[in-house]
Amino acid sequence: DAGVTQSPTHLIKTRGQQVTLRCSPISGHKSVSWYQQVLGQGPQFIFQYYEKEERGRGNFPDRFSARQFPNYSSELNVNALLLGDSALYLCASSLLTVNTGELFFGEGSRLTVL
Amino acid sequence: DQQVKQNSPSLSVQEGRISILNCDYTNSMFDYFLWYKKYPAEGPTFLISISSIKDKNEDGRFTVFLNKSAKHLSLHIVPSQPGDSAVYFCAASGQGGKLIFGQGTELSVKP
Repeated sequence: DAGVTQSPTHLIKTRGQQVTLRCSPISGHKSVSWYQQVLGQGPQFIFQYYEKEERGRGNFPDRFSARQFPNYSSELNVNALLLGDSALYLCASSLLTVNTGELFFGEGSRLTVL
Repeated sequence: DQQVKQNSPSLSVQEGRISILNCDYTNSMFDYFLWYKKYPAEGPTFLISISSIKDKNEDGRFTVFLNKSAKHLSLHIVPSQPGDSAVYFCAASGQGGKLIFGQGTELSVKP
């Protein structure tokens, strides 16, 4: 069975550019969450989507946006990139909206902003 | 405002001995606490969780203890194996369906 898949795995952008990261959840999972992990820190919550609706948003600026499609895949968009946006972006899927149990994470998209 | 803290960035243990990883939190409203393991170049993998109404949960070699009065939880791995070497994150389930993670502890189990 395929796990959570993310693309691209690595990418390099320059300041001011825009980036789109993609995520396909595990089959049957309707909830997708996005996390940002900077070096030396734990993952930080960005967004959660369930049934194509935003169910939670972390403390990130409006430059960050996301959406979920009818097939439950998701995209994370970041506009006007800053050096500080360099991080590993993790997508996670789950069956439920409430995190009483496990999230299944993808391997992440490593973004470097120069 | 770090609501979940792991104060030990690293831990080294001999194979076969017990590994104890610690985590502190500040918000008494968290419902669930979870531990994730992360190998390099992989996403975090769920390990074990505990409800806030319990004080212990065990799964094979892994046991999580929750001390609500101290706002402290710990993960015990017995016996430790070299394959357990990884970064361990504790996380708490907060409002809006999000997980709040600690900074992580890198465990090294030496043969």
